[in-house]
Amino acid sequence: NAGVTQTPKFQVLKTGQSMTLQCAQDMNHEYMSWYRQDPGMGLRLIHYSVGAGITDQGEVPNGYNVSRSTTEDFPLRLLSAAPSQTSVYFCASGGTGAHYGYTFGSGTRLTVV
Amino acid sequence: AQTVTQSQPEMSVQEAETVTLSCTYDTSESDYYLFWYKQPPSRQMILVIRQEAYKQQNATENRFSVNFQKAAKSFSLKISDSQLGDAAMYFCAYPLNYGGSQGNLIFGKGTKLSVKP
Repeated sequence: NAGVTQTPKFQVLKTGQSMTLQCAQDMNHEYMSWYRQDPGMGLRLIHYSVGAGITDQGEVPNGYNVSRSTTEDFPLRLLSAAPSQTSVYFCASGGTGAHYGYTFGSGTRLTVV
Repeated sequence: AQTVTQSQPEMSVQEAETVTLSCTYDTSESDYYLFWYKQPPSRQMILVIRQEAYKQQNATENRFSVNFQKAAKSFSLKISDSQLGDAAMYFCAYPLNYGGSQGNLIFGKGTKLSVKP
């Protein structure tokens, strides 16, 4: 099925561990973003990309790294996990007609202990 | 900096009644799109409605409509004949401007809507 695929759906990390959240879309979308969702804070933009090879920081980029080597993939790396990074993470993508709205992945619930 | 503000953390409505959720935004752009998304307990993000800023007419999708006030930078969502299935978090969203492209969205903090039977 076409759409945005996020893996894993759930993850528990220990403080200091690193990991990569995967995001892939098969719609040839230019725009991709990562958000974190915390209670009362809405969806906050972590990093975003406007095309392969082009990324930029959003509102809360510290502790996260991204790259966009292909149009399809936009992985999010946690360099050294901290309890403050416990959250639900969403990846989303939009095409040239992004004014029609974004397509979201199903989310990753990450717990850092 | 571009911002999106939802001033109502929680709202409640009686089934079959009408409720309006507020959203304001800050931008220097003249042409853009605005969106309302719904997030039910399943966590799935669902596009409810969108508005094109250059259009005078307010967008409508079945029971959902917007009141778009461009000069006031206001974009409220009206839900008519509320149903139990409308209970969810609602997010207002605005495109981030990156070198003239507007393909990435920034979101407000959301409004949690409860529907009473």
